[in-house]
Amino acid sequence: NAGVMQNPRHLVRRRGQEARLRCSPMKGHSHVYWYRQLPEEGLKFMVYLQKENIIDESGMPKERFSAEFPKEGPSILRIQQVVRGDSAAYFCASSPGDRGPSNQPQHFGDGTRLSIL
Amino acid sequence: AQRVTQPEKLLSVFKGAPVELKCNYSYSGSPELFWYVQYSRQRLQLLLRHISRESIKGFTADLNKGETSFHLKKPFAQEEDSAMYYCALSSGSRLTFGEGTQLTVNP
Repeated sequence: NAGVMQNPRHLVRRRGQEARLRCSPMKGHSHVYWYRQLPEEGLKFMVYLQKENIIDESGMPKERFSAEFPKEGPSILRIQQVVRGDSAAYFCASSPGDRGPSNQPQHFGDGTRLSIL
Repeated sequence: AQRVTQPEKLLSVFKGAPVELKCNYSYSGSPELFWYVQYSRQRLQLLLRHISRESIKGFTADLNKGETSFHLKKPFAQEEDSAMYYCALSSGSRLTFGEGTQLTVNP
């Protein structure tokens, strides 16, 4: 089991461009979570998704950020018109979800380091 | 709202010394607490969770609801324990993390 796979590991964008971050959960996991870690800070929850559904997006900025987890393929975190303040490490985690998310430890990917020039 | 506080950003001990990484939380419900560890150049991984009451790599953590704490302890630190440690609280769908403590174990 390869674990949670995120790509790319590093992403550089200029201000105003779009950033797409991908996350493939562990095999058998149907719940995906995205977290953001700004420099010198802890991880902050952004969004929780199940296949084709956004369950909790209370941590997502209201504008420019969106997330999806389609029936087929990886989960995508999309940031439109990036700004310098979007520079951060973005981590994805997954869990099986068959007993409810609060009972399932989350397994993390290596993260994507986004740098905005 | 839930909150996790790790008061020490940096902690340095000598090999063989006891180590305690502090974690305090605030949460109105019944908390589920975790410790995650990130070794150099590796991904964040689960170290232990309070409901399992395990000892992993010699580490233990006891939930103290009266003091709202979940401190991580090890009686004899090893050099390979040097890493970033995060305390986290689960409330339904999300984990709330502390800001982490960088532990360095010196030879």
